Amino acid sequence: QVQLVESGGGVVQPGRSLRLSCAASGFTFSSYGMHWVRQAPGKGLEWVAVIWYDGSNKYYADSVKGRFTISRDNSKNTLYLQMNSLRAEDTAVYYCARDLGAMVIFYAFDIWGQGTMVTVSS
Amino acid sequence: EIVLTQSPGTLSLSPGERATLSCRASQSVSSSYLAWYQQKPGQAPRLLIYGASSRATGIPDRFSGSGSGTDFTLTISRLEPEDFAVYYCQQYGSSPLSFGGGTKVEIK
Repeated sequence: QVQLVESGGGVVQPGRSLRLSCAASGFTFSSYGMHWVRQAPGKGLEWVAVIWYDGSNKYYADSVKGRFTISRDNSKNTLYLQMNSLRAEDTAVYYCARDLGAMVIFYAFDIWGQGTMVTVSS
Repeated sequence: EIVLTQSPGTLSLSPGERATLSCRASQSVSSSYLAWYQQKPGQAPRLLIYGASSRATGIPDRFSGSGSGTDFTLTISRLEPEDFAVYYCQQYGSSPLSFGGGTKVEIK
């Protein structure tokens, strides 16, 4: 079945780095744009970043621009989020999510992973 | 940026009742690019509705979406026990995309 499984979360000190991974299965990964969306404890949803199906374009929320990098390896069906210079306000559950469209980006999300928790604290 | 305001914040209803959730946008949402998601505690969001009124794959027909421009509605015709959750609207017609603050549907 269609599935996304995140990993790599944990507790990290402010200013340090962390890399999240998202393993995809059950669909043609290379045909879909992919996103990271986060949710701070008890709060709403915040879009973080998108990468085109072929990796040709990447866009970020202003809150993470210059600190986070989204990437993908279509040969491994895996999405990544490299998070540098982490801040307390980056504490959240991070979800990877598949874009609604195939070969086109809609910025809506039809498949979500279960999420991985990132806690930034000294 | 388009700001989405969801109301009410909390909706207290009984199973079998009809739920009507509102999502109001600060500007017109282009091409009715409005989605609704359901989120249960400890779970990821689930897409219910896209394009304002199209049900996502596997979503029961008791869920329906309507609206255009700046006013959108999610209706659950008869609440089932599994429908008690938080619901978010999201617009994807203008950059940056934005989410509403959510409506919690709780058991009365």
